Amino acid sequence: DVKVTQSSRYLVKRTGEKVFLECVQDMDHENMFWYRQDPGLGLRLIYFSYDVKMKEKGDIPEGYSVSREKKERFSLILESASTNQTSMYLCASSFLGGWGENIQYFGAGTRLSVL
Amino acid sequence: KNEVEQSPQNLTAQEGEFITINCSYSVGISALHWLQQHPGGGIVSLFMLSSGKKKHGRLIATINIQEKHSSLHITASHPRDSAVYICAVNSLRDDKIIFGKGTRLHILP
Repeated sequence: DVKVTQSSRYLVKRTGEKVFLECVQDMDHENMFWYRQDPGLGLRLIYFSYDVKMKEKGDIPEGYSVSREKKERFSLILESASTNQTSMYLCASSFLGGWGENIQYFGAGTRLSVL
Repeated sequence: KNEVEQSPQNLTAQEGEFITINCSYSVGISALHWLQQHPGGGIVSLFMLSSGKKKHGRLIATINIQEKHSSLHITASHPRDSAVYICAVNSLRDDKIIFGKGTRLHILP
């Protein structure tokens, strides 16, 4: 079974803190993704990576950065957390190729609250 | 207007009922996905479709490319089917994924 593991299910941080969200997959997938999910807005793509050290901006990259130093690990970084970044964050992975070709496998999600 | 519309937004039904969730989209697509999100957040990919019909257990997904419409059916529904069902399409225009806002399904025992 494919496993996509997010390091925390729940996280509470203060405004201005630097926040790291970690995601690890065990299927040797090339692609990894970070989404956020907000009520009434659905899922939105923040960043994705198709290879080690490669990254591409999604629809809402502002306020976020990412790091992919190893194939199995994709980190989402909030350099200075703000209250409007309170959300559910979901990591996903897939084999190379876009949504038109491959199923994505999702982690359980991290619910981040920024106070 | 959203490029991917789902209906209904919320659905409550009795155990055993036949369930239909609809997804309409306005862009050209290479594929359509149905996802299931249980309370707590985890998302599971149910189907990826580019034409016709797929079946997995009690779940059936159909797509009509000409009408830009897909349906997800659940036969003999069960309380454990209670979840949010999300439709997502891969847009040919820019190879981006566009998500619907989801349909919240609640099956009563």
